[in-house]
Amino acid sequence: GQQVMQIPQYQHVQEGEDFTTYCNSSTTLSNIQWYKQRPGGHPVFLIQLVKSGEVKKQKRLTFQFGEAKKNSSLHITATQTTDVGTYFCAGRAGGTSYGKLTFGQGTILTVHP
Amino acid sequence: EPEVTQTPSHQVTQMGQEVILRCVPISNHLYFYWYRQILGQKVEFLVSFYNNEISEKSEIFDDQFSVERPDGSNFTLKIRSTKLEDSAMYFCASSEARGLSSRRTGELFFGEGSRLTVL
Repeated sequence: GQQVMQIPQYQHVQEGEDFTTYCNSSTTLSNIQWYKQRPGGHPVFLIQLVKSGEVKKQKRLTFQFGEAKKNSSLHITATQTTDVGTYFCAGRAGGTSYGKLTFGQGTILTVHP
Repeated sequence: EPEVTQTPSHQVTQMGQEVILRCVPISNHLYFYWYRQILGQKVEFLVSFYNNEISEKSEIFDDQFSVERPDGSNFTLKIRSTKLEDSAMYFCASSEARGLSSRRTGELFFGEGSRLTVL
């Protein structure tokens, strides 16, 4: 079945440093979403990427979708303590916007002040 | 802002007992999901539900699991005979589900989760 791998599993940074998490799918995706889960919380949607090579920015966050639509990345510039949490990518293989989302293992980000 | 609500927030049960987890999805949403997350691990898909029937399920969702939407608002997950390994956080999620060409993303709105502890 479809697998979504995410690295690294953990990342510790000093406040102000950059952070990147990478996501790879075993199959071509129709779209990929990113979620953030604060400690003790539930996943909260950040963004969706649909097009090959797509790049989207949200303030200090930059999201990329690979040309082959099998990988993606999230980059945070100048991390802040509010960025702490687990970042998950989640991919859909089917061509709909309602099919199963397969989550990666997540990257746990710790930001030291 | 509309939100998905789940009850109970925490349930402790004995192995072999039946458990029902309840969810109230966002009212105009069409697709409903159950996911689970074992402590510190990935969010795992269990089942999706549309138009009063299961649209997709994972291999985790075996015969001990069932879902239903009994009254048009609640969406329940039943675990018939709980096992120790069923201990996890169970998340309900809902989605509006529009076509890819629309501005809707098919994003999932998650509830706060129900923590199930099987002893």
